[in-house]
Amino acid sequence: AQSVTQPDIHITVSEGASLELRCNYSYGATPYLFWYVQSPGQGLQLLLKYFSGDTLVQGIKGFEAEFKRSQSSFNLRKPSVHWSDAAEYFCAVRDRGSTLGRLYFGRGTQLTVWP
Amino acid sequence: DGGITQSPKYLFRKEGQNVTLSCEQNLNHDAMYWYRQDPGQGLRLIYYSQIVNDFQKGDIAEGYSVSREKKESFPLTVTSAQKNPTAFYLCASSTGGEAYSNQPQHFGDGTRLSIL
Repeated sequence: AQSVTQPDIHITVSEGASLELRCNYSYGATPYLFWYVQSPGQGLQLLLKYFSGDTLVQGIKGFEAEFKRSQSSFNLRKPSVHWSDAAEYFCAVRDRGSTLGRLYFGRGTQLTVWP
Repeated sequence: DGGITQSPKYLFRKEGQNVTLSCEQNLNHDAMYWYRQDPGQGLRLIYYSQIVNDFQKGDIAEGYSVSREKKESFPLTVTSAQKNPTAFYLCASSTGGEAYSNQPQHFGDGTRLSIL
């Protein structure tokens, strides 16, 4: 079965600082990869996704993520964090060609932004 | 606008009571999912359905039941057998089938269930 690891439970950064959230997955082949964001009491919003091709993908809200096959990683980055980015971030993977469509989620990273 | 509607936003359950959480989507998606979210545990899959009148157990199905009588609707019942139901419940949908496995899931805004 797939597994997704987000090693950082909680990260605190100052507004304007750069951000990197880590995600590692365990699977025999390259899965489809997703990053979602969740504000308190809300559902999840898709930030970006990786299927194939260019390993650096751009998403909404100024986020980007880089897929590194050799490290089985899909880290999320943002050059300059805004206070509104404070939220919980989830990495998720799905088997390629899966007929079941289920996602496997990491446990999430809570981001706090200091003014 | 198309989306997923979960209701109610807050729900309280008494001991020994079954409660049903509603999930409706107008995205014309074939696949629908229910997740349970507890602090620090991420999202855990309860049930999922790829087509009408068919559904599969996820990782934590015990104490829950679902039905899929219509494409748009996938209600979740939390039964009295679920001894620790307090959690945030999220419904999601996506375009189903192998050809669409690269499609993301879309989420509702969740229902928070608490015990009285």
